[in-house]
Amino acid sequence: QQQVKQSPQSLIVQKGGIPIINCAYENTAFDYFPWYQQFPGKGPALLIAIRPDVSEKKEGRFTISFNKSAKQFSLHIMDSQPGDSATYFCAASSRAGANNLFFGTGTRLTVIP
Amino acid sequence: KAGVTQTPRYLIKTRGQQVTLSCSPISGHRSVSWYQQTPGQGLQFLFEYFSETQRNKGNFPGRFSGRQFSNSRSEMNVSTLELGDSALYLCASSNSWIQGNTGELFFGEGSRLTVL
Repeated sequence: QQQVKQSPQSLIVQKGGIPIINCAYENTAFDYFPWYQQFPGKGPALLIAIRPDVSEKKEGRFTISFNKSAKQFSLHIMDSQPGDSATYFCAASSRAGANNLFFGTGTRLTVIP
Repeated sequence: KAGVTQTPRYLIKTRGQQVTLSCSPISGHRSVSWYQQTPGQGLQFLFEYFSETQRNKGNFPGRFSGRQFSNSRSEMNVSTLELGDSALYLCASSNSWIQGNTGELFFGEGSRLTVL
């Protein structure tokens, strides 16, 4: 059973567009929600992370929106660039299993020049 | 600062064999986690080691095992390989050492295992 559901599976946007990737979870014990970016042939790299005490976090062109009551969170990429083309994974973990991340199934983003 | 190093990067085995994968974490990191990545199941947690002790374990059969050495380097072993074990095995290190404190995971580039 997938603990973190991610959509869409793939996304194509024009350069400058704002792709949005959505994730949902059920386990209310989750209290850490990171997003990872993975390029082909590389391991995932942390992009940005949020804890449920805030509803939004912004780092550069990347923003996480978090809705605790709906148990949903999303990643927005402002002014997307071709170099952002990668697979994005949302994830979640709880304090009990701190480094045991439950990952979403991934979104393959393509930014067209 | 060197990143997480995994060896070997690629390997091919046949069903029934066993395999050992190695991971050297970032210097100073004492926590090492292992993940399996497949197209069908995505990224799944295998286990985590801290100070040579297994701290957490995912839902994998006993054929999957691991260990950590005093220098924080870690190995994972898969015995009696099955075709379904073909995957990218990723190691991640972290400097989080307080129980329940999630730190950033730094992933290596993985070991790609093909089972024929």
